[in-house]
Amino acid sequence: EAQVTQNPRYLITVTGKKLTVTCSQNMNHEYMSWYRQDPGLGLRQIYYSMNVEVTDKGDVPEGYKVSRKEKRNFPLILESPSPNQTSLYFCASSSRTGGRSYNEQFFGPGTRLTVL
Amino acid sequence: KQEVTQIPAALSVPEGENLVLNCSFTDSAIYNLQWFRQDPGKGLTSLLLIQSSQREQTSGRLNASLDKSSGRSTLYIAASQPGDSATYLCAVRPPGSARQLTFGSGTQLTVLP
Repeated sequence: EAQVTQNPRYLITVTGKKLTVTCSQNMNHEYMSWYRQDPGLGLRQIYYSMNVEVTDKGDVPEGYKVSRKEKRNFPLILESPSPNQTSLYFCASSSRTGGRSYNEQFFGPGTRLTVL
Repeated sequence: KQEVTQIPAALSVPEGENLVLNCSFTDSAIYNLQWFRQDPGKGLTSLLLIQSSQREQTSGRLNASLDKSSGRSTLYIAASQPGDSATYLCAVRPPGSARQLTFGSGTQLTVLP
């Protein structure tokens, strides 16, 4: 089944404790992104990647890092989490090759992060 | 900077009604527009994708239209059902860029049995 998976789905942590949220897609997509969703602010892009070893900042990159060492994986790293990073996080992927679903975005199930 | 607006923020209708959700965007130079459904606490499910060269897309009881020149898209839901209750989001992708989507804030739809 074609899908985007994220782990963990729920995470409660404390300020300053480094964490990684993993994201993996099995559709051979080139593009991958991370978003955060907050009440009243909607979905905002954190980082995106065009392909392996190619990443760039989105709208709200501060406090986050990403890496794209393999095509299928795009982990989100919080080196020193703070309470204002409490949010619902989504990973997404899309293909830049042809077909009916060209550039259709597929989302993971989300990771609910609470930073105390 | 592209801005996407969805009005109304919330909508409640009785079961069986046909309804229209609206999405407007400020920069008409888009590559495509995508409608999503989000259930509470869940991820986003893609409903329809309209490329910039298309005027509409249909899937089952859903029909989405796109008018780039006026910066508008509508999502038409026919014969609504309680299971259609969810938040509906539209998002646009800019052309010639790897940047991903700009989202609207969504319309929360409740279909009453």
